[in-house]
Amino acid sequence: GGIITQTPKFLIGQEGQKLTLKCQQNFNHDTMYWYRQDSGKGLRLIYYSITENDLQKGDLSEGYDASREKKSSFSLTVTSAQKNEMAVFLCASSIDRVTGNTLYFGEGSRLIVV
Amino acid sequence: GDSVTQTEGQVALSEEDFLTIHCNYSASGYPALFWYVQYPGEGPQFLFRASRDKEKGSSRGFEATYDKGTTSFHLRKASVQESDSAVYYCALGDGMGYKLTFGTGTSLLVDP
Repeated sequence: GGIITQTPKFLIGQEGQKLTLKCQQNFNHDTMYWYRQDSGKGLRLIYYSITENDLQKGDLSEGYDASREKKSSFSLTVTSAQKNEMAVFLCASSIDRVTGNTLYFGEGSRLIVV
Repeated sequence: GDSVTQTEGQVALSEEDFLTIHCNYSASGYPALFWYVQYPGEGPQFLFRASRDKEKGSSRGFEATYDKGTTSFHLRKASVQESDSAVYYCALGDGMGYKLTFGTGTSLLVDP
């Protein structure tokens, strides 16, 4: 088995600040994802990466940057934190296209903007 | 674009009740369909999937049947337990095998 580790578990920042969330996986999976979870809105895809140094925009990429410098890690940066984007951010990975979209998730990081 | 609709935001049941959570999708072709479950403080976990018409997916007593005619993948369980209390997400896979589009989730609360 493997695990996805997200750090920090809680990220507190001020409005306008640039904030970064980190994700590590030891599944040796090719594809990694960042989803945003808001109550009543489900999970919405921000960015995903098919392989190292690849980045693909999801439906909610505006206001975010992402980086995949190693196969095992995927980071997400909120470029200018706003109070209306306080949410839980979920990192996930999947092995490859053959298994068809089965994702493994981390426990989430909660963003708090003060 | 592709979308998933879960009509129930919250469901409250008693132990041993029958559960149905409705999921309808909008997409072309035969997208893979999934159910995920999320317990408090944890990330969503894969429950099961189906990828062709009339295929049944199942796990832990939950099941759903892919219905292309009604574009549905409703989650059912014959007898729920308190430990089933969680948020359930229906999801749809893109044709390339990379992206999942999730519904808004259904919060299930089971009273003992």
